[in-house]
Amino acid sequence: DTAVSQTPKYLVTQMGNDKSIKCEQNLGHDTMYWYKQDSKKFLKIMFSYNNKELIINETVPNRFSPKSPDKAHLNLHINSLELGDSAVYFCASSQEAPQGGLQYFGPGTRLTVT
Amino acid sequence: QKEVEQNSGPLSVPEGAIASLNCTYSDRGSQSFFWYRQYSGKSPELIMFIYSNGDKEDGRFTAQLNKASQYVSLLIRDSQPSDSATYLCAVSNTNAGKSTFGDGTTLTVKP
Repeated sequence: DTAVSQTPKYLVTQMGNDKSIKCEQNLGHDTMYWYKQDSKKFLKIMFSYNNKELIINETVPNRFSPKSPDKAHLNLHINSLELGDSAVYFCASSQEAPQGGLQYFGPGTRLTVT
Repeated sequence: QKEVEQNSGPLSVPEGAIASLNCTYSDRGSQSFFWYRQYSGKSPELIMFIYSNGDKEDGRFTAQLNKASQYVSLLIRDSQPSDSATYLCAVSNTNAGKSTFGDGTTLTVKP
């Protein structure tokens, strides 16, 4: 069984479009995260939810909107996509909320904006 | 100054050697320290964590923490080509409620 899953794995789209990435974890964890990893491999946290409540919202354009319908799911919606949004987006989960220590990562979604 | 800094790579060691990866952090309130391994095209995978000063060993891996010097390291003994990957240091502060990752060090183990 996949612990943290993301869909889609690859996403190619044009500038200006709106897209969503979905994440689900079956570990029973309380906290979920979205990270962005750019071409230089720098992993930067974007958002964190604990039991459906937003607890971390880093400096991210408001075109990015996370949604957590329940503690096992955390989705990321991106409006008006820009070239600079091209990156790999990782979802992660952690039981040690809200410290965010032992994290389990999903396989990533490679977003390419053309 | 970056919150978490790792020694710039890439780092190349011969098979069987000891690989030493270093990380320094700026937040003195940090309590938890983690090492993740990321193979090319894959997601980060936790390999070690340490909370107290000193050494923690797990197989060929040893994590070392010195909170006074704000320094954490990862030693890989008897390095294997399969250890070739990017290693990410992560530092967690309970009050901040998040982990901050370093930029990573890419390790290549040559047969």
